[in-house]
Amino acid sequence: EAQVTQNPRYLITVTGKKLTVTCSQNMNHEYMSWYRQDPGLGLRQIYYSMNVEVTDKGDVPEGYKVSRKEKRNFPLILESPSPNQTSLYFCASRGTEKLYGYTFGSGTRLTVV
Amino acid sequence: DQQVKQNSPSLSVQEGRISILNCDYTNSMFDYFLWYKKYPAEGPTFLISISSIKDKNEDGRFTVFLNKSAKHLSLHIVPSQPGDSAVYFCAAPGTYKYIFGTGTRLKVLA
Repeated sequence: EAQVTQNPRYLITVTGKKLTVTCSQNMNHEYMSWYRQDPGLGLRQIYYSMNVEVTDKGDVPEGYKVSRKEKRNFPLILESPSPNQTSLYFCASRGTEKLYGYTFGSGTRLTVV
Repeated sequence: DQQVKQNSPSLSVQEGRISILNCDYTNSMFDYFLWYKKYPAEGPTFLISISSIKDKNEDGRFTVFLNKSAKHLSLHIVPSQPGDSAVYFCAAPGTYKYIFGTGTRLKVLA
């Protein structure tokens, strides 16, 4: 089954404790992206990647890092999480056919206390 | 500057009737648009798209209309079913990303 898998689904952590949210896709997609969803703000892009070793900032990159060492994986790293990073996070991927849109993972609900 | 706007945060419709979800945009250079549907505890799923060279695209019960002069698109669901209850996002392509609206929560009443 074609899918984007992200883990964990839920995570509660403390301020300052480094964490990684993993993301993997099995569709051989070139483009991958991380979004966060907050009430009243919709989905905002954090980082994106056009291919292996090619990444760039989205609209809200502060406090986040990413890497794309393999085509299928695109982890999101929070080096020193803060409470304002409490949010619902989605990883997504798409191929070159734009009209089919991104395929999203099921989401990671992160709470930073 | 919100380039894609969904001004109705919520909408309630009776089962069997038409649901109309609206979206406005500001950038006339957008060359296509998409609608996503999101259930609680799940990621958004792609629903339907429309190229800017068309004014209508239909897929089963779902039809998207594009009015370029008004910079407006709408999603029609006919007939609405209880399983259509979800949050709907419209989106437009930015550079290597999609710009999403803030979503409209549709509730279809049985």
